[in-house]
Amino acid sequence: SQKIEQNSEALNIQEGKTATLTCNYTNYSPAYLQWYRQDPGRGPVFLLLIRENEKEKRKERLKVTFDTTLKQSLFHITASQPADSATYLCAPRINTPLVFGKGTRLSVIA
Amino acid sequence: NAGVTQTPKFQVLKTGQSMTLQCAQDMNHNSMYWYRQDPGMGLRLIYYSASEGTTDKGEVPNGYNVSRLNKREFSLRLESAAPSQTSVYFCASSERGAGTLTGELFFGEGSRLTVL
Repeated sequence: SQKIEQNSEALNIQEGKTATLTCNYTNYSPAYLQWYRQDPGRGPVFLLLIRENEKEKRKERLKVTFDTTLKQSLFHITASQPADSATYLCAPRINTPLVFGKGTRLSVIA
Repeated sequence: NAGVTQTPKFQVLKTGQSMTLQCAQDMNHNSMYWYRQDPGMGLRLIYYSASEGTTDKGEVPNGYNVSRLNKREFSLRLESAAPSQTSVYFCASSERGAGTLTGELFFGEGSRLTVL
């Protein structure tokens, strides 16, 4: 069966550093992968989508990579700020509808 | 622009009671979804509706029923609530139906349900 793993439940990082979150998947080959942000008590919000034929996607301080050989996506936040503290969810697109990883809770410490 | 609206936001039920969670979207999306989110389990799909008039089971459908009332509205019903259904429920919608290449989901703010 398909499996999605996000590197850790929680990640603490110092303000100004680059945060790197990992999403690994097994047993399938998604056509694309989405990342979402979820703040406490709120619904997830879409951030970025990367397709299987794209190696890298950027949006402001966010960068996503997609390695279909390793079956892995990396999500980077550069120059991290306390406002980036949230849970980040990955969702490799297998078939519809989306299946989500459990998320990584990022805390950026001032 | 309201997006996806869920009601109620909070609800406490006793075991065996029934209730319906309502969801409406104003983005003219074809597809709608119900997820539940539990600590340590992440988001799990309960039911979805790829287009008006169709519904399909997701990963955890037992104990739930859904109705796609029209293109805007998708309701989730608990016929006989159990403590295991204590969770946060999220409704979501997306622009196109099954097979879309993007399928970005727009979520509501969640409905927090406690079953005693």
